[in-house]
Amino acid sequence: DVKVTQSSRYLVKRTGEKVFLECVQDMDHENMFWYRQDPGLGLRLIYFSYDVKMKEKGDIPEGYSVSREKKERFSLILESASTNQTSMYLCASSALRDTQYFGPGTRLTVL
Amino acid sequence: GESVGLHLPTLSVQEGDNSIINCAYSNSASDYFIWYKQESGKGPQFIIDIRSNMDKRQGQRVTVLLNKTVKHLSLQIAATQPGDSAVYFCAEENTGFQKLVFGTGTRLLVSP
Repeated sequence: DVKVTQSSRYLVKRTGEKVFLECVQDMDHENMFWYRQDPGLGLRLIYFSYDVKMKEKGDIPEGYSVSREKKERFSLILESASTNQTSMYLCASSALRDTQYFGPGTRLTVL
Repeated sequence: GESVGLHLPTLSVQEGDNSIINCAYSNSASDYFIWYKQESGKGPQFIIDIRSNMDKRQGQRVTVLLNKTVKHLSLQIAATQPGDSAVYFCAEENTGFQKLVFGTGTRLLVSP
């Protein structure tokens, strides 16, 4: 079975804090993705990675960075959290030119 | 820019009915399409996909139809059950770019 896990289901942080969201997949997938999901806006791509140590900006990369040191792990970093980054964060992974499978999501609240 | 849209934000059906959820896409270069189901508080779950060289694909109780002429995608759910209540997203991809574009979703409500 496909499995994508995210480090936290719920997270509450304060403005200005550095936030790490972790994602791990066990399918040996090349591609990994980070999205945020907001009511009325759907899923928007933040960053993605085709391979270890590679990263590409998505549609809304501002205020975020990523790290992929190992094939199975893709981290999303909020360098200085702001209230407008309160959202549901979804990680996904896929094999080359194949279906993306999603994790359960992390609901982040920034106070 | 390219976009994926949905005709109906909410669809209400009775248990046992067949449901049809529609989706329009605008990128004629898209060659891969996916339907996801998302239950409250959970991540999107893959339901079924179809590539552009096909018009129809069937799964267990679900069928996806692709009409490339009018850039339209639909998801049919047979004998809808209360457990089918969720938000359904279509997504399109040009597999050369490996980036999905999602619609905003349709909420399916199934009454017993």
